[in-house]
Amino acid sequence: SQQGEEDPQALSIQEGENATMNCSYKTSINNLQWYRQNSGRGLVHLILIRSNEREKHSGRLRVTLDTSKKSSSLLITASRAADTASYFCPSGANSKLTFGKGITLSVRP
Amino acid sequence: DAGVIQSPRHEVTEMGQEVTLRCKPISGHDYLFWYRQTMMRGLELLIYFNNNVPIDDSGMPEDRFSAKMPNASFSTLKIQPSEPRDSAVYFCASSHGYSGANVLTFGAGSRLTVL
Repeated sequence: SQQGEEDPQALSIQEGENATMNCSYKTSINNLQWYRQNSGRGLVHLILIRSNEREKHSGRLRVTLDTSKKSSSLLITASRAADTASYFCPSGANSKLTFGKGITLSVRP
Repeated sequence: DAGVIQSPRHEVTEMGQEVTLRCKPISGHDYLFWYRQTMMRGLELLIYFNNNVPIDDSGMPEDRFSAKMPNASFSTLKIQPSEPRDSAVYFCASSHGYSGANVLTFGAGSRLTVL
């Protein structure tokens, strides 16, 4: 399977705190993406980082990529209750993205 | 663009009945994906198309499942006969594939309950 692991499986934090989520992948990649899924909704693309990039920012999101370790992390700063969702970092090749079970983030008001 | 449109949003049917799920991708997207999501198995890729041609259907669980894409603006996923274990949320997603990135836009999903 091309799918790696997402860590932790679940995370609960207080509003205003930072949330860090990690994922690993198994195969070589051209890029890595993170998606968010709010309860009862479809997945929404958050950010894409290319294999020649080490860090990327988008608003309160910061993504890092370590290709030597085949791992990525997603940092959400100053979390809000609306950030409560599941987060995914699919992996794959040739346009075929494989998703795992995701990381469930709960932000307590 | 209205995004990826799926119908129906909810379907409740009895075991043995035929189920047809529909998807309209974003205009101009040349890839279309069908995923299934359950608590136990997470989000599974069932099949995907490129330029209306099925590329990889290795995720289709069994012969009861079939998918078609007769044109660039429409796809169907059919289950016949349906079984309770098919109960899940089925997502359609589309993308404009090009070298280096394949960002998916998902529909809202079709929640299927088979009694």
